[in-house]
Amino acid sequence: DADVTQTPRNRITKTGKRIMLECSQTKGHDRMYWYRQDPGLGLRLIYYSFDVKDINKGEISDGYSVSRQAQAKFSLSLESAIPNQTALYFCATSDSSPGSVNYGYTFGSGTRLTVV
Amino acid sequence: GNSVTQMEGPVTLSEEAFLTINCTYTATGYPSLFWYVQYPGEGLQLLLKATKADDKGSNKGFEATYRKETTSFHLEKGSVQVSDSAVYFCALYPSGYSTLTFGKGTMLLVSP
Repeated sequence: DADVTQTPRNRITKTGKRIMLECSQTKGHDRMYWYRQDPGLGLRLIYYSFDVKDINKGEISDGYSVSRQAQAKFSLSLESAIPNQTALYFCATSDSSPGSVNYGYTFGSGTRLTVV
Repeated sequence: GNSVTQMEGPVTLSEEAFLTINCTYTATGYPSLFWYVQYPGEGLQLLLKATKADDKGSNKGFEATYRKETTSFHLEKGSVQVSDSAVYFCALYPSGYSTLTFGKGTMLLVSP
């Protein structure tokens, strides 16, 4: 099983619909993130969570919300989807200890979301 | 603020050519530096990292040296293969209670 699992892998939804993207991890990390990838723009941070009770906005949080249900689960919601939210969405976890061999981020395989 | 600048792509090379992808950064303090690779249709994978100045990260024939004096972390490989075709992201991690900042990515296309 993958260390970071995202569901669904692909989704097409209509404008105005609510949609939830789910992420679960088996790394045992406290820190989790949601990024959005658009061509030519790289990855942009939407929300992040350093532990279960900690939620922080990233650089592009408008139109999104998140829920950290447990250490291993971090969901991203689009309350009312719009076409410019069409993108590839990645969840990630991190080990923040520089001395750790696993120091760095581990990414899921992504969810390709299309809003029509 | 923190930022990462990468050379724009695509970088197009023939197999066995030498690769350099430039990356420079702006950050306060002493960040850790990373290269991630994204193969077509996949998520990002950590390629290599360096946590302090003059460290050299290496993996799969790729290398990058953390140069604090030039604020750079250029990615190099002596002989690329078709299977190296991917998008490469440089990233910095400023400190413990912060998040990874990515460059915009550089696409590498290697032809036989």
